[in-house]
Amino acid sequence: QQQVKQSPQSLIVQKGGISIINCAYENTAFDYFPWYQQFPGKGPALLIAIRPDVSEKKEGRFTISFNKSAKQFSLHIMDSQPGDSATYFCAASIGGATNKLIFGTGTLLAVQP
Amino acid sequence: GAVVSQHPSWVICKSGTSVKIECRSLDFQATTMFWYRQFPKQSLMLMATSNEGSKATYEQGVEKDKFLINHASLTLSTLTVTSAHPEDSSFYICSVYFLAGVGEQYFGPGTRLTVT
Repeated sequence: QQQVKQSPQSLIVQKGGISIINCAYENTAFDYFPWYQQFPGKGPALLIAIRPDVSEKKEGRFTISFNKSAKQFSLHIMDSQPGDSATYFCAASIGGATNKLIFGTGTLLAVQP
Repeated sequence: GAVVSQHPSWVICKSGTSVKIECRSLDFQATTMFWYRQFPKQSLMLMATSNEGSKATYEQGVEKDKFLINHASLTLSTLTVTSAHPEDSSFYICSVYFLAGVGEQYFGPGTRLTVT
């Protein structure tokens, strides 16, 4: 119930392409869904976050799509660049950003030039 | 800019010794901070929630007597790994809730602990 399932485990995309990472959850009490980007040896950096009152949120090249009925949310990276190569984590929490996060297993993205 | 700092960024210690890691919120007060641990090529696992002025709340399976958390001020939480063993070698990361706009949770840069 507390798990967040993330796929794929790894992803290779050509420069300029679209990277898509998916997450699914079971607990309908989750109400905050952030995405983090992590480079080796660094802490996770917040990319974008969504709350269940909207179905989509866009910030620059990053878009979150949220499907409440399917209990799924995804990250789309448009015009992927080699600098986007990193590990991406989805997460979820109950009670918003003030509470503990449950993380997905991560997706290692490699953008080939 | 960064909203959370950690010190040290990396530390090597001998088995049996204790190590203290600091997490600071920069220019804002944080009544709650979170401590996570991340093993190589794995996800982040919450260890405990640090509450200013009260005892930390530990996740199931985390030894509270081994991982001592002190949140003595609104800008500082410390994690002390006591009697460290090689299996405690990991990447320790703190996070804080920062109310800017709608409010989000931000992570520190992490501390790499190696126990020899």
